[in-house]
Amino acid sequence: AQSVTQPDIHITVSEGASLELRCNYSYGATPYLFWYVQSPGQGLQLLLKYFSGDTLVQGIKGFEAEFKRSQSSFNLRKPSVHWSDAAEYFCAVVLNTGTASKLTFGTGTRLQVTL
Amino acid sequence: GAGVSQTPSNKVTEKGKYVELRCDPISGHTALYWYRQSLGQGPEFLIYFQGTGAADDSGLPNDRFFAVRPEGSVSTLKIQRTERGDSAMYLCASSPSGGWHEQYFGPGTRLTVT
Repeated sequence: AQSVTQPDIHITVSEGASLELRCNYSYGATPYLFWYVQSPGQGLQLLLKYFSGDTLVQGIKGFEAEFKRSQSSFNLRKPSVHWSDAAEYFCAVVLNTGTASKLTFGTGTRLQVTL
Repeated sequence: GAGVSQTPSNKVTEKGKYVELRCDPISGHTALYWYRQSLGQGPEFLIYFQGTGAADDSGLPNDRFFAVRPEGSVSTLKIQRTERGDSAMYLCASSPSGGWHEQYFGPGTRLTVT
């Protein structure tokens, strides 16, 4: 079955430490890949996206993600986490951009940042 | 400029009642999406509008759910005979057109069915 998996439900890191959030997808073809962040009371905000080309993509707020076709992964990274990064992070894919861009989301990873 | 807005922000209703959730997309955006996010889950696609027409409603869970967008701008998600299982956050997103463009999400409506 087609799916997006975020294996880590909850991650805690210290402020200033590095971060990696995992995302794996299971589809026959390479989908378009996205990372969103959701803060309490806020709408989902797009951090970055991968369509094709360079497999290391840069996003907003200092985040980056690397697409690895061989591992069907699209992990999100940040070299130094700030307390304001505490939020829920969702990996998402789109299979068909011909018409509707239906996003399929993973179950999310909640990031807690300790001072 | 103004982002996507959704009203009400919170809605509490009794089982069996009818509810309407409203979405105001970004001005000029022709594509509009509804998603439902249950507790501890990622958002799940419900329906997509391109202009006034529902181009894809494959995510609506059953015929109690219906959505309209009569003038190609504001959309209303309607739920009849609500059930406790309908309790969730309902998210709306808009984008400049179909195909791939970034979807801009509203803050959501938290629906609680008692």
